[in-house]
Amino acid sequence: GESVGLHLPTLSVQEGDNSIINCAYSNSASDYFIWYKQESGKGPQFIIDIRSNMDKRQGQRVTVLLNKTVKHLSLQIAATQPGDSAVYFCAELFTGGGNKLTFGTGTQLKVEL
Amino acid sequence: DTAVSQTPKYLVTQMGNDKSIKCEQNLGHDTMYWYKQDSKKFLKIMFSYNNKELIINETVPNRFSPKSPDKAHLNLHINSLELGDSAVYFCASSQESLLSGNTIYFGEGSWLTVV
Repeated sequence: GESVGLHLPTLSVQEGDNSIINCAYSNSASDYFIWYKQESGKGPQFIIDIRSNMDKRQGQRVTVLLNKTVKHLSLQIAATQPGDSAVYFCAELFTGGGNKLTFGTGTQLKVEL
Repeated sequence: DTAVSQTPKYLVTQMGNDKSIKCEQNLGHDTMYWYKQDSKKFLKIMFSYNNKELIINETVPNRFSPKSPDKAHLNLHINSLELGDSAVYFCASSQESLLSGNTIYFGEGSWLTVV
């Protein structure tokens, strides 16, 4: 399943499928990007980050891709599980401008059994 | 132990009241933040402090006054509460430099409802 993030706030996927959550960031000077997961009733939880000198970074079941040319970020979740159901936010930061983290709109990921 | 803890978790109060939300972090970070999340889940920074010094102050009404007694605490005081202040307020912390593998950690949030 794939979402356009800002324009499709809800993404539904079947358990076991791969999920792709997209994000368009706004500041071409941003050099640090973070994906957060927010479960219902909780605070944003760090998933993975990437710096602008990279275009791909992998974690456990998650991969972040960065395309600076089109100011696009994506989060890929492999073998999506029910526990992955949450709202996912991308956030951008220009480290030379203070630690002012700017969040995207968020995408609700729903995992169907 | 919770890394970034904030109290109270839930707060219901009447318009015009003054209330405070407290935040403490035990991560040894020197920078702390307050974020506001509205009903559409949009997260926006309000303030940041570094070693008790105000660094970021977004366009926030001056009814909101952060106070940092030491670098492990950043409290948020709100005067003359309005209906539009109803939101979830998140405290967060980080090292000053985010260039060395450090990131920003969030608390669990304080749900403020103004009636």
